[in-house]
Amino acid sequence: QKEVEQNSGPLSVPEGAIASLNCTYSDRVSQSFFWYRQYSGKSPELIMSIYSNGDKEDGRFTAQLNKASQYVSLLIRDSQPSDSATYLCAVRPGATNKLIFGTGTLLAVQP
Amino acid sequence: DVKVTQSSRYLVKRTGEKVFLECVQDMDHENMFWYRQDPGLGLRLIYFSYDVKMKEKGDIPEGYSVSREKKERFSLILESASTNQTSMYLCASSLYTDHNQPQHFGDGTRLSIL
Repeated sequence: QKEVEQNSGPLSVPEGAIASLNCTYSDRVSQSFFWYRQYSGKSPELIMSIYSNGDKEDGRFTAQLNKASQYVSLLIRDSQPSDSATYLCAVRPGATNKLIFGTGTLLAVQP
Repeated sequence: DVKVTQSSRYLVKRTGEKVFLECVQDMDHENMFWYRQDPGLGLRLIYFSYDVKMKEKGDIPEGYSVSREKKERFSLILESASTNQTSMYLCASSLYTDHNQPQHFGDGTRLSIL
């Protein structure tokens, strides 16, 4: 079992819809969770971080964390074609400085 | 804003050459990381460093070494480049003292070994 799992996609949604991206992780003592967006040929850029159970909202983005189910998700409301990218889930397991990355979900927003 | 700068965006080298990839950050971060990213395999950690002259192996250190002589600079060295080291190389940095801080990435170096 991979430490951080994401569906590779592509996830295709129409413009204006809600895109839902999911991530599961295997280490129960994981403490910090991050979502990065990566455009083709570019480096990952941080869009959200979450540390406590529940929801965290930032503009059109909402991160959701459920530590009991070892599940973290990212919702993108009012999806735009410019949101088309690969979304990477990253997890910090325990008291470590390292991040474990999933392989990413490719999101395609159709105009 | 955190700035992580990688010395080259694109680099072409020949098999057997010694290759240096440089990374500099301007935020006084203790932690620095080197990853490679390949299609279908995601980001894989090569080496990381949490202090000057300190280094730890990541998941795929074979064929690589690193150097951290100054806090702001972390170098990745391919001792004898091989074609299977053709990849996108990403440098990142983060604060040591706050585990909730994310890693910040440079723009990446796309390295081709011929």
